Amino acid sequence: QVQMVASGGGVVLPGRSLTLSCEVSGFTFSSYTLHWVRQAPGKGLEWLAVVSYDGDNVNYAHSVKDRFIVSRDNHKATLFLQMSSLTVDDTAMYYCARVNVPYSFGVDPLDIWGQGTMVTVSS
Amino acid sequence: DTEMTQSPSSLSASVGDTVTITCRASQGIANLLSWFQHKPGRAPESLIYGASTLHTGVPSRFSGSGFGTEFTLTISSLQPEDFAVYYCQQYNDRPFSFGGGTTVEIK
Repeated sequence: QVQMVASGGGVVLPGRSLTLSCEVSGFTFSSYTLHWVRQAPGKGLEWLAVVSYDGDNVNYAHSVKDRFIVSRDNHKATLFLQMSSLTVDDTAMYYCARVNVPYSFGVDPLDIWGQGTMVTVSS
Repeated sequence: DTEMTQSPSSLSASVGDTVTITCRASQGIANLLSWFQHKPGRAPESLIYGASTLHTGVPSRFSGSGFGTEFTLTISSLQPEDFAVYYCQQYNDRPFSFGGGTTVEIK
């Protein structure tokens, strides 16, 4: 059964950092490009970042570029999102997701989504 | 960057109705468009990619069409489990932007 589970969320003070993880099962982790997407309370989905299957290529949304870093450890089959200089606007449910084509870092659609992890930035 | 605009932002419908949601791209994206269904407390689910191809397991009452800048998602014979928020997303160029969402509510 294909499954993705994000973790690492919690309550964090403004200006601090937090790292999210996403673990998968049911497919070969190292074969797929992975994305992070978030949803702030009462808002829509916002695409954040993508990392290629081999970890060599990344892209970010303008809103998080220079503050967030996406990476992966293919040996441990884990995806990461390092978030720094957090603000209240980063309060959201964070989802990891997979593309539907292996060994591709192109124009590929998302197919599998993980259960999200909630991040609350508050003083 | 490509901006995606969905309409309407919400709609009310009854079980058995057919509903149509529109998604417009600020520039041409060929057929590189996906549709997702999102229910409260759950992960989004992928419905359609390539503007019109259903993901495995998606009921045939869902259909998509369009090319370039205008796209539609149609749900025929609405079922109780279809009441949710629907999003389009373009994956023609990064950032892979989403539309603002359409809430399908029970009338």
